[in-house]
Amino acid sequence: DAGVTQSPTHLIKTRGQQVTLRCSPKSGHDTVSWYQQALGQGPQFIFQYYEEEERQRGNFPDRFSGHQFPNYSSELNVNALLLGDSALYLCASRDAGTQEIYTQYFGPGTRLTVL
Amino acid sequence: AQSVTQLGSHVSVSEGALVLLRCNYSSSVPPYLFWYVQYPNQGLQLLLKYTSAATLVKGINGFEAEFKKSETSFHLTKPSAHMSDAAEYFCASLTDKLIFGTGTRLQVFP
Repeated sequence: DAGVTQSPTHLIKTRGQQVTLRCSPKSGHDTVSWYQQALGQGPQFIFQYYEEEERQRGNFPDRFSGHQFPNYSSELNVNALLLGDSALYLCASRDAGTQEIYTQYFGPGTRLTVL
Repeated sequence: AQSVTQLGSHVSVSEGALVLLRCNYSSSVPPYLFWYVQYPNQGLQLLLKYTSAATLVKGINGFEAEFKKSETSFHLTKPSAHMSDAAEYFCASLTDKLIFGTGTRLQVFP
């Protein structure tokens, strides 16, 4: 049973550039959430996608956008990168239709470095 | 507003000693509570969860946590630490969204 997978593992960008991160949810899961984890901090909720729509959003600017595809996979896009966007970006998935609705399973993350 | 406080950013114990990692939550409605572990350069692994059933919750790797509503606490314990327990531990609270504490780094000395 494949868990949550993310790509790429590492990414280096320069200020002002745009980046796209990808996530495939755990098999059978239909809801994907994205988190930003700065060095030495806990993960911060960015947004959640269900049925290809953004359902909830944390306190992040519009430079952060996302998409969910019919196969439940998801992308996180960040425009006009700032140095402060350097972080580990985590994807998490859950199954909205079962008793496990409250439990999120995390991927290994994408380490983004902005120079 | 919902929040999670983890007391002690670093905890050090000897191998075989009791592990106690503290977590307090603040929420206007009863939350679901979670403990996750993060090993270096990896994502988060679920240790255990409280979802309003039994207040004493057992998780993987010998960890357990007790939900105490009167103290708004959900402390994580393990009777005997092992070297492999060294990692970062995060407490999280879920109402409408999952909110994490700032984490506690556990060091285990031989």
